[in-house]
Amino acid sequence: QKEVEQNSGPLSVPEGAIASLNCTYSDRGSQSFFWYRQYSGKSPELIMSIYSNGDKEDGRFTAQLNKASQYVSLLIRDSQPSDSATYLCAVNNEGNQFYFGTGTSLTVIP
Amino acid sequence: GAVVSQHPSRVICKSGTSVKIECRSLDFQATTMFWYRQFPKQSLMLMATSNEGSKATYEQGVEKDKFLINHASLTLSTLTVTSAHPEDSSFYICSARDFGGETQYFGPGTRLLVL
Repeated sequence: QKEVEQNSGPLSVPEGAIASLNCTYSDRGSQSFFWYRQYSGKSPELIMSIYSNGDKEDGRFTAQLNKASQYVSLLIRDSQPSDSATYLCAVNNEGNQFYFGTGTSLTVIP
Repeated sequence: GAVVSQHPSRVICKSGTSVKIECRSLDFQATTMFWYRQFPKQSLMLMATSNEGSKATYEQGVEKDKFLINHASLTLSTLTVTSAHPEDSSFYICSARDFGGETQYFGPGTRLLVL
């Protein structure tokens, strides 16, 4: 079982819609969770981090964490074509080891 | 804050030569730096983890004698690809984490092409 699992997609949403990206992790003791965005040919950039159960909002982005279900998600409201990228979920597990998912490719259609 | 730079951004070299890539944390002290490799349309692959002043820990399948990593200071780590071959052509990305921190901040990457 992989440490972090994501649906590779591709996920396509129309402009203005909500894009929902999901991630599950295997280490129940994990404490820190991150979402990165990677444009084609570029390195990943941090979008959000979340540490506590519930929702965390930052502009059009909302991260959701459910530790009981070992599930973390990222919602992008009012999706824009510029949001088209690969989104990487990352988890810092109880052993302070950092694991990335393989990423979900998102395309926002104008 | 939390800016990481890499140099060079792009390098083309002949097969058999060695290439050094530098990774610097510009506004924080990076006790841990990570080196990744990414082939086109594939996911990030962790190559090694380096802690300042100690030997790097390499992931399974990564040749430590081919990919030399030095983390001599709290702001600089280098990756040297020795005797590069065309199959080493890839996008090499470093990231850095400060002491006690949990977030990794990525450099812009170095695109290596070995002819």
